[in-house]
Amino acid sequence: EAQVTQNPRYLITVTGKKLTVTCSQNMNHEYMSWYRQDPGLGLRQIYYSMNVEVTDKGDVPEGYKVSRKEKRNFPLILESPSPNQTSLYFCASSFTIFAGTDTQYFGPGTRLTVL
Amino acid sequence: ILNVEQSPQSLHVQEGDSTNFTCSFPSSNFYALHWYRWETAKSPEALFVMTLNGDEKKKGRISATLNTKEGYSYLYIKGSQPEDSATYLCAPFYNQGGKLIFGQGTELSVKP
Repeated sequence: EAQVTQNPRYLITVTGKKLTVTCSQNMNHEYMSWYRQDPGLGLRQIYYSMNVEVTDKGDVPEGYKVSRKEKRNFPLILESPSPNQTSLYFCASSFTIFAGTDTQYFGPGTRLTVL
Repeated sequence: ILNVEQSPQSLHVQEGDSTNFTCSFPSSNFYALHWYRWETAKSPEALFVMTLNGDEKKKGRISATLNTKEGYSYLYIKGSQPEDSATYLCAPFYNQGGKLIFGQGTELSVKP
């Protein structure tokens, strides 16, 4: 089954404790992206990757890191989480982004709480 | 940062009602518009992708129109059902920047 998986689905952690949220897709997509969803705001892009070893900042990259060592995986790293990073996080992928018409496939989401 | 507005923010209708909501976006450098449907506790799923002015897409009871000149799109649901309850997100794609810009969504609740 074609899908985007994320782990963990739920996480409660404390300020300053490094964490990684994994994202994996099995559709051979080149483009992958991380978003956060906060009440009253649209999905805001954190980081994106056009292909392996190519990553770039989105609109809200502060406090996050990513890597793209393999095509299928795009982990999101919070080196020192803070309470303002409490949010719902989505990973998404699409075949490319250049055409502008490729549908993005979303993972199930990770609800993160930073105390 | 480009501003994408969706209205209304929320909508409560009775089963069988038809409804529509709006997505407004800057039309300069616009290339395509995506509509996604997001049910609670699930992931957003694609409904439509539209590119041409005057384009109209339909999937069952849901349809959408696009005006690229003035920068808006309407989503229509005919004869709403409880299973249509979800947040509907629009996301224009621009040639400059090469990414989707999501609106804040319209939350639809359909009561039996």
